[in-house]
Amino acid sequence: DVHLEESGGGLVQPGGSLRLSCVVSGLTFTQQPMSWVRQAPGRGLEWVSGFSSGGLVPLYAGAVTGRFTISRDNAKSTVFLQMDSLRIEDTARYYCVKDAWGWLFDYWGQGIVVTVSS
Amino acid sequence: IQVTQSPSSLSASVGDTVTITCRASQGISPYLNWYQHKPGKAPKVLISGASNLQRGVPSRFSGSGSGTNFTLTISSLQPEDYATYYCQQTYGAPITFGQGTQLDIK
Repeated sequence: DVHLEESGGGLVQPGGSLRLSCVVSGLTFTQQPMSWVRQAPGRGLEWVSGFSSGGLVPLYAGAVTGRFTISRDNAKSTVFLQMDSLRIEDTARYYCVKDAWGWLFDYWGQGIVVTVSS
Repeated sequence: IQVTQSPSSLSASVGDTVTITCRASQGISPYLNWYQHKPGKAPKVLISGASNLQRGVPSRFSGSGSGTNFTLTISSLQPEDYATYYCQQTYGAPITFGQGTQLDIK
């Protein structure tokens, strides 16, 4: 069974950094496209970043370009989201998601909360 | 590509049929998916490619549409269907979700 588990969230001050991790099990991880999706309090779903094209090409939403970096460790079946220069508006629950094909997200983690506040 | 979902909220009774609409700012056929999201749970994909029901999803859910206009229809509403529904376009990067439709019990 496919399972995704996020970690690394918490409270951080504006301008600070956090690194989210997502360990994936139950599938062959190498070249598996993965993404991060977030939901701010009271708001809808927003795609943040992900790998496409065989799991190798990183893409970013405009709101996080230049501040967030997605990476992966295939040996550990883990995808990361390095979040720098955090802003109050980055406060959200962040979901790690598996891409079935063409950005269709068929498996989701339970999400991890990131709070940016002074 | 912007996707505009309507209505933003909807009240309906068990047994009703409801329709949620998603309109894209340009043609995106058939790259439109629908998700269901319940409080405290992870979102779940219901329909891909505008009209393809995902495995295990009840047949009372159906999707249709082409070009810029798409609909999700839920027939004979069940208590477990009360949730927030999102459309998602995957035609062009960055992929985008609709604003969501909250379906409540009348």
